[in-house]
Order: sequence, then structure tokens, then C-alpha cells
Amino acid sequence: EVQLLESGGGWAQPGGSLRLSCAASGFTFSSAAMSWVRQAPGKGLEWVSGVFGSAGSTYYTDSLKGRFTISRDNSKNTLYLQMNSLRVEDTAIYYCVRGHPLSSSFGMDVWGPGTTVTVS
Amino acid sequence: DIQLTQSPSFLSASVGDRVTITCRASQGITSYLAWYQQKPGKAPKLLIYAASNLQSGVPSSFSGSGSGTEFTLTISSLQPEDFATFYCQQLNSFPLTFGGGTKVEIK
Repeated sequence: EVQLLESGGGWAQPGGSLRLSCAASGFTFSSAAMSWVRQAPGKGLEWVSGVFGSAGSTYYTDSLKGRFTISRDNSKNTLYLQMNSLRVEDTAIYYCVRGHPLSSSFGMDVWGPGTTVTVS
Repeated sequence: DIQLTQSPSFLSASVGDRVTITCRASQGITSYLAWYQQKPGKAPKLLIYAASNLQSGVPSSFSGSGSGTEFTLTISSLQPEDFATFYCQQLNSFPLTFGGGTKVEIK
């Protein structure tokens, strides 16, 4: 079964750091495009960052201003999100998602249950 | 950045109704648009990919159409389990962006 499972969420003070992890199983992780999507309490979805293509190119939403870093360890089938200089507005559920296997431009077909980050 | 505008933002409908949600992009995105359904307390679920392709396991009552800047998600006959919030997402260019969402509630 294809699965994603996030961990590492929790509470942090403004200015603090957290590292999220996403353990993947049931598919060839190394060839998958992967992203983080977040959802603030009572709000809509926001794509945060992704790693795409065989070269592992990384992309971020503009508002992060270099505070977050996405990475992957294909030997461990794990995706990471290092979050530094956290702000209250980073409070959200963070979802790990897989790009569609036919093309990462088609959509995101597998979502983890999410991990909650609270900054206060 | 490409902005996606969904309409309506809220929709009240009855079981059996035909429902249409629109997503407009601020610039052309060819067919790189996806639709998701999210129920309270759950992760979103992919319904439609590449504008008009039904994701495996999704009921055929869902359909998507459009290209360029205007897209629609249609539910041909609303079922009790379909009441949820729906989002569109563009994957044409970075940063990827989502629409603001359409909440479909029972009338």
C-alpha cells in the first residue's frame, strides 16, 4: 500500500526551529516528486515546497524568504522540511504529498495524514 | 505568481443536485490543473488531474473540464458523502498555488 507518514510536528516559540519528516512506503520514492502542503487553522491549502525531477530541483513558495529547506534521503525513503525562524503564521497542519506518477504537473495523488505545527 | 479564483466560495445544495464549481486562473496554465476534495479533519483527496482526468477510484459522478484560464468541476448528482470543501490547484509553474476553496453544504 502506498503510504506517507509525517512526524516531527509540535510546539515551537517564535524564532525557533523544527524539522518535519515524512516516511514513504509502497512506491519507488527516489523517482517521485514530493512536496509539503500546509493548512492554517480554518484556512485553505498552501503549497510550501517541493522537490522535483531526477536532479532533485527544489522550489518554495515566495513568502518563506529562505526560512525553510526541503530535502530528501532516498536511502531512507524519507522527505524532510527544516523550518527555521518560525513565525506565528507558520502554525498549520503540514501534509507530505506525492506528485502524480504520470507527471508531477498533473496533481498530487497521495497525501499523508498531516503533522501539526504550533508556533506561539 | 498565478492566482486561482474559485466560485462560488460557498454552495448549498440538495442530494441529487447537479453542482458546478469554477476555477479561473490569472494567466494560462494549459491543462495543468487538479481538483481535490477535503472533508473535515481529513487530508485532501485528488479527484481530477490534468483538468479532465478522473483519478482512479473516484466516482464517475465527478468530472472536470477546461483549459487555459477557465476550468470547471461538475458533480452530476450530489451524494451525501460528497459534502465537503473542494480546491483547485495549478501545477503549470512555480510556486504552485491553490484556489481559495468551495464549501458544499447540505441545503
